[in-house]
Amino acid sequence: DAKTTQPPSMDCAEGRAANLPCNHSTISGNEYVYWYRQIHSQGPQYIIHGLKNNETNEMASLIITEDRKSSTLILPHATLRDTAVYYCIVRAAHYNQGGKLIFGQGTELSVKP
Amino acid sequence: DTGVSQDPRHKITKRGQNVTFRCDPISEHNRLYWYRQTLGQGPEFLTYFQNEAQLEKSRLLSDRFSAERPKGSFSTLEIQRTEQGDSAMYLCASSGIMRGRETQYFGPGTRLLVL
Repeated sequence: DAKTTQPPSMDCAEGRAANLPCNHSTISGNEYVYWYRQIHSQGPQYIIHGLKNNETNEMASLIITEDRKSSTLILPHATLRDTAVYYCIVRAAHYNQGGKLIFGQGTELSVKP
Repeated sequence: DTGVSQDPRHKITKRGQNVTFRCDPISEHNRLYWYRQTLGQGPEFLTYFQNEAQLEKSRLLSDRFSAERPKGSFSTLEIQRTEQGDSAMYLCASSGIMRGRETQYFGPGTRLLVL
């Protein structure tokens, strides 16, 4: 079973920030938080990952709470092309501990004009 | 394009037929994963390889399913005696190391419809 909980759907106005929450209250010390998204009929796309510090890349920012029990993915200026299902996944990321991704239901983000 | 590729992208078959899908990973990645995704659900893990070795198989992978990665490069997933319940998107991913941590990159998937 997935170790994360996400709202099933969210709406966001185009040009505004989209903030997608994720709860992972049972996360272990050696587990990372990964975010993927899946645009309709395509394969999942890697977005970002982090351990405990906030992370930012060209696609998004990841804010992880100090107790690491929840996180928020931020798309700073959402566009219509960001409409997708967003998956938050917790997994051990050391190469020798790595392996399968366990996907939950994700959050279906609709960006509206 | 140096991403993960899958072939075919779509397959329609009749119940009872065998089908085979191919995945070509990113060239320097030595891990390769197969997932299955049914409508409205997140992808579910099926199996993965490190080089040629198949290291883990899900119980979803019934004896009608077989996967190979003979030379540690491309992989094939075969489904024998297909059933209507096999209709799904079959996704392949390969993994590399990003910022010291393993990250999986997915292909576009093969959509299978069993009539």
